Amino acid sequence: NAGVMQNPRHLVRRRGQEARLRCSPMKGHSHVYWYRQLPEEGLKFMVYLQKENIIDESGMPKERFSAEFPKEGPSILRIQQVVRGDSAAYFCASSPGQGGYEQYFGPGTRLTVT
Amino acid sequence: GENVEQHPSTLSVQEGDSAVIKCTYSDSASNYFPWYKQELGKGPQLIIDIRSNVGEKKDQRIAVTLNKTAKHFSLHITETQPEDSAVYFCAAPPGSARQLTFGSGTQLTVLP
Repeated sequence: NAGVMQNPRHLVRRRGQEARLRCSPMKGHSHVYWYRQLPEEGLKFMVYLQKENIIDESGMPKERFSAEFPKEGPSILRIQQVVRGDSAAYFCASSPGQGGYEQYFGPGTRLTVT
Repeated sequence: GENVEQHPSTLSVQEGDSAVIKCTYSDSASNYFPWYKQELGKGPQLIIDIRSNVGEKKDQRIAVTLNKTAKHFSLHITETQPEDSAVYFCAAPPGSARQLTFGSGTQLTVLP
């Protein structure tokens, strides 16, 4: 059973470039969550998606950040015009939905903005 | 929204001793309380969780207790081993929502 997969594992971008982070949930899971972890800090919720729907994006900055979970393919977190403050580890988690609250995390994408 | 406080921030124990980490939450409607273990450079790993209709749950050397009246829950690790060394996070959802609000983490070090 493959777990949650994220790629790339490491991503380096210059200020002003775009970053695209991908997440494939566990097989059978229909709910995806994105969290951000700044160095030496805890995890902060960003966005919660189901297939083709954004359920809650209250934790995501209003500008430059967007997320999608299409009918086919992985969920994508997109950061436009990256700034140094975007440097962090971005984790994706998935859950089965249908009453299943357990969230299983991927290995994360470590974004470095130079 | 939910506020989750976790303490201590660091904890050192001798191998074989027990470790206890405590969390408090603010939203009385929260109904699910997981604990995660995060090793350096890895994603958080779900190690145990508890629903609001249960007071205690145990899985081998790990147990979680929940006091809904006082709005706090605790992680207990017995017979600690060096491989238990990691950062541990508690979490709770705001009300009936599904996303999690995390505590600030506890760096557990088990000394051989």
